[in-house]
Amino acid sequence: GEQVEQRPPHLSVREGDSAVIICTYTDPNSYYFFWYKQEPGAGLQLLMKVFSSTEINEGQGFTVLLNKKDKQLSLNLTAAHPGDSAVYFCAVSAGPGTGSNRLTFGKGTKFSLIP
Amino acid sequence: EAAVTQSPRNKVTVTGGNVTLSCRQTNSHNYMYWYRQDTGHGLRLIHYSYGAGNLQIGDVPDGYKATRTTQEDFFLLLELASPSQTSLYFCASSDQTGQNTLYFGAGTRLSVL
Repeated sequence: GEQVEQRPPHLSVREGDSAVIICTYTDPNSYYFFWYKQEPGAGLQLLMKVFSSTEINEGQGFTVLLNKKDKQLSLNLTAAHPGDSAVYFCAVSAGPGTGSNRLTFGKGTKFSLIP
Repeated sequence: EAAVTQSPRNKVTVTGGNVTLSCRQTNSHNYMYWYRQDTGHGLRLIHYSYGAGNLQIGDVPDGYKATRTTQEDFFLLLELASPSQTSLYFCASSDQTGQNTLYFGAGTRLSVL
């Protein structure tokens, strides 16, 4: 089955610095890709949903890159600010018609700012 | 905004105890899920359901039962709780299979002493 490796498990940067979180998946049939953000004491909230047809996806203060050749998904935070402190999870699922309806999550990256 | 409500938010029980975690969604979603979150393991799927009366086994089902009584309500049952089930439990719902966004509840922190 699908396996997703997420790294690093912990990441600390100074305010204004950039940061990258990378997920590597194994199933070449993976089609839908997600980044979730979990703030302290809360459930996960969708940050961005990416489809396999789009390699570069930009959000507010971040960019998601999909490299299907290397089976990697990355979240690039461009200028970290206090509101970015959270645990980030990537998640992957197979495409329609594959009979799979599960998300496989990475183990998460705890992101924080260095005071 | 999609809404998933879990109760209780915190629960303490003893080994061998009987625990029921509740989840209600008001999104009219077909799918509901129970996950547990543990340091070093991320989120792991326990059980899920695609409609009232339906139950599907997840990746870590041992020691857990679940029941979907209505489209809105999904329950997770621990009939003989063990310390290894101390965890943060999340319920989620989605409209459809993998391509749709999961909406998560705020979580239930369970401690089994």
